Amino acid sequence: DVQMTQSPSYLAASPGESVSISCKASKSINTYLAWYQEKPGKTNKLLIYSGSTLQSGTPSRFSGSGSGTDFTLTIRSLEPEDFAVYYCQQHNEYPLTFGSGTKLEIK
Amino acid sequence: EVQLVESGGGLVQPGRSLKLSCAASGFTFSNYYMAWVRQAPKKGLEWVATISTSGSRTYYPDSVKGRFTISRDNAKSSLYLQMNSLKSEDTATYYCARRDPFDYWGQGVMVTVSS
Repeated sequence: DVQMTQSPSYLAASPGESVSISCKASKSINTYLAWYQEKPGKTNKLLIYSGSTLQSGTPSRFSGSGSGTDFTLTIRSLEPEDFAVYYCQQHNEYPLTFGSGTKLEIK
Repeated sequence: EVQLVESGGGLVQPGRSLKLSCAASGFTFSNYYMAWVRQAPKKGLEWVATISTSGSRTYYPDSVKGRFTISRDNAKSSLYLQMNSLKSEDTATYYCARRDPFDYWGQGVMVTVSS
């Protein structure tokens, strides 16, 4: 199984700042990496798939990069609605596996 | 508007069975792979099962293989998860999700396995 190691597990930042979240796969997953946003009272939201492709409706301040085993989610100029929990997930092979999550909180 | 609405959760004793349902609307259900994903309390997300458009192919992680069965009824735009031999570690919120990667999710339904 592909293990997904996500870091940091917790991140505090202020609106307007930029942040990055890392996700490392235990073996190559090509570019098949997705990022999700989890917020209380809302359904989970797919932000990015295939490493860097923005899902329809994802604001352009979100970007994804990486290939092989190392991936990054970057959020530029944080908005108040961006404070949430973020998960990465490899969609290269079964079993599908997720990272452990990053909680992004307001500083 | 795409909607996925889960039902069938509840409290069940270890070793017993439970069947979850997911009613889909707002898209052509038969055109999409569907999946179940779960989240134990205070934990991260775990993929549970995926089913192909026709239902002929199913996929599971080892943690549920042989105990859980995913199925679908395209005529009813419905997805199901039959869960047998339930264990305390199956306690979680179960989400219905469309395709992979999961572009739409339901609100989830809670399953508690406890005596």
